[in-house]
Amino acid sequence: EAQVTQNPRYLITVTGKKLTVTCSQNMNHEYMSWYRQDPGLGLRQIYYSMNVEVTDKGDVPEGYKVSRKEKRNFPLILESPSPNQTSLYFCASSLIRADTQYFGPGTRLTVL
Amino acid sequence: AQKVTQAQTEISVVEKEDVTLDCVYETRDTTYYLFWYKQPPSGELVFLIRRNSFDEQNEISGRYSWNFQKSTSSFNFTITASQVVDSAVYFCALGLYSGGGADGLTFGKGTHLIIQP
Repeated sequence: EAQVTQNPRYLITVTGKKLTVTCSQNMNHEYMSWYRQDPGLGLRQIYYSMNVEVTDKGDVPEGYKVSRKEKRNFPLILESPSPNQTSLYFCASSLIRADTQYFGPGTRLTVL
Repeated sequence: AQKVTQAQTEISVVEKEDVTLDCVYETRDTTYYLFWYKQPPSGELVFLIRRNSFDEQNEISGRYSWNFQKSTSSFNFTITASQVVDSAVYFCALGLYSGGGADGLTFGKGTHLIIQP
């Protein structure tokens, strides 16, 4: 089944404790991105990747890192999480940029 | 910069009523794509439709229909004979082929649709 998977689905952590949210797609898509969803703000792009080893900042990249060492994986790294990063995070992939993006199930992160 | 506006924050209707969700977009690009996604209470984002800027034909899929009008920069979504299962947050989004800016999709803030039994 074609899908985007994210792990973990739920995470509660404390300020400053490094964490990684994994994202994997099995559709051989070149384009992957991360979004965060906050009440009243909709979805905003954090980082995106056009292909392996090619990543770039989105609208709200501060406090986040990403890597794209393999085509299927695009992990999101929070090296020193802060409470303002409490949010619902979505990974998405598409064949190419501006094509239909398919979203993972979301990761609800709470930073205390 | 591109922008998507969904002016209706929340709409509440009684089951079987028709309802239209509005979406207005702004872009200087001539080649772009428009999308609608559904986010049910379970939280996932479900793709509904994609239209490109060269195709202004309206589309119908079962009880769902979409009206794309370039002259008014609108891409409205109508649900006919609404059902409780249609209750969700609906997002309109814009994608630019040429990239630029933050890339990816620009989303509206969503319309929360409540269908009362």
